[in-house]
Amino acid sequence: KAGVTQTPRYLIKTRGQQVTLSCSPISGHRSVSWYQQTPGQGLQFLFEYFSETQRNKGNFPGRFSGRQFSNSRSEMNVSTLELGDSALYLCASSFFAGENNEQFFGPGTRLTVL
Amino acid sequence: AQSVTQLGSHVSVSEGALVLLRCNYSSSVPPYLFWYVQYPNQGLQLLLKYTSAATLVKGINGFEAEFKKSETSFHLTKPSAHMSDAAEYFCAVDSGGGADGLTFGKGTHLIIQP
Repeated sequence: KAGVTQTPRYLIKTRGQQVTLSCSPISGHRSVSWYQQTPGQGLQFLFEYFSETQRNKGNFPGRFSGRQFSNSRSEMNVSTLELGDSALYLCASSFFAGENNEQFFGPGTRLTVL
Repeated sequence: AQSVTQLGSHVSVSEGALVLLRCNYSSSVPPYLFWYVQYPNQGLQLLLKYTSAATLVKGINGFEAEFKKSETSFHLTKPSAHMSDAAEYFCAVDSGGGADGLTFGKGTHLIIQP
């Protein structure tokens, strides 16, 4: 069974631009969560989608948004990029939503904002 | 609010020695606890999880962790370190019904000395 895939793996943008990251969950998984990983803040929860609905959102500004499609694939978008948005963005999928569901992580997309 | 504290951003042990990575959590409700490992340029891989079925949890690659409610701890151990264990280790808690995603500690970088 294929794992979680994220595209692209690396991305370089400049301040003010916007970016869209993609995540394909494990086949059969309906929940997708996104996390931001930085050296200073560590791993922080961005949002979770289940059956095309945003279930939860972390403490991030409105510039961060996402969506989920009917095939459970998910995208996250960051508008008006800032230098501080440089990070590794990790996507995780699980069969169900909610607590105690084992989340399987993808390799991440490393975003660099210049 | 839930939080996770990992004592020691870097831990160095000799090959064959005991590995002990410390994790303390704070949660207002019984938590679900997880240990993840991250190798360079990769996503997170689940090592083990605590779900209240047993206080001593065995995971992959010879790792295990013991849940101690009185100490609010969930330390990770391995009897004999291998060079391949060198990686970043994250402790995480989920006690919000999945509402806040996983809350991660800052991580511990495990260094294995030959």
